Amino acid sequence: SQQGEEDPQALSIQEGENATMNCSYKTSINNLQWYRQNSGRGLVHLILIRSNEREKHSGRLRVTLDTSKKSSSLLITASRAADTASYFCATDETSNYQLIWGAGTKLIIKP
Amino acid sequence: DGGITQSPKYLFRKEGQNVTLSCEQNLNHDAMYWYRQDPGQGLRLIYYSQIVNDFQKGDIAEGYSVSREKKESFPLTVTSAQKNPTAFYLCATTGQGQETQYFGPGTRLLVL
Repeated sequence: SQQGEEDPQALSIQEGENATMNCSYKTSINNLQWYRQNSGRGLVHLILIRSNEREKHSGRLRVTLDTSKKSSSLLITASRAADTASYFCATDETSNYQLIWGAGTKLIIKP
Repeated sequence: DGGITQSPKYLFRKEGQNVTLSCEQNLNHDAMYWYRQDPGQGLRLIYYSQIVNDFQKGDIAEGYSVSREKKESFPLTVTSAQKNPTAFYLCATTGQGQETQYFGPGTRLLVL
């Protein structure tokens, strides 16, 4: 079952610009996580936001969560070429260590 | 990729053949997962295990089998019953009380 849906599917911006990706989900959650995947590699955890939190920061990353709209956004500020990757949201709705994944946003940063 | 290794990096399967993908971890994590990723798509859960000698089916377990005889190891066998096995396979782990998953580098399975 797929819970999260990312939007847009692909995003291409100039280096230095900000990148915003969105994730929508369908059911109540305990937390929402964002992961990054470089081409042909495993995923790397970026940030986790709990259902009782509205905003969280980590370096150049800012995540917001709106539980009333069942949506989250990931903002990457001052993008760099090295940020080129696919970004996935994953939701934890049952605390049984299972995550439900969206299809991802492919981000390309043009130098 | 941390302390999770997957081998081989590429695997070729012939028609009717069973193949086994290896996943080993030295993180002392209890839970281990196998995911399948198809081009342009998210991860789909095949099997997961929270403790040794116990595992549960995920959303797409048909045509796959696993074992968990040791805490460090969670091999995945793609059987001949899996008619469309070409995909990128990812192994992940989670520590006790943790909520984030740690991923291996993946194995790409191709059919000859």
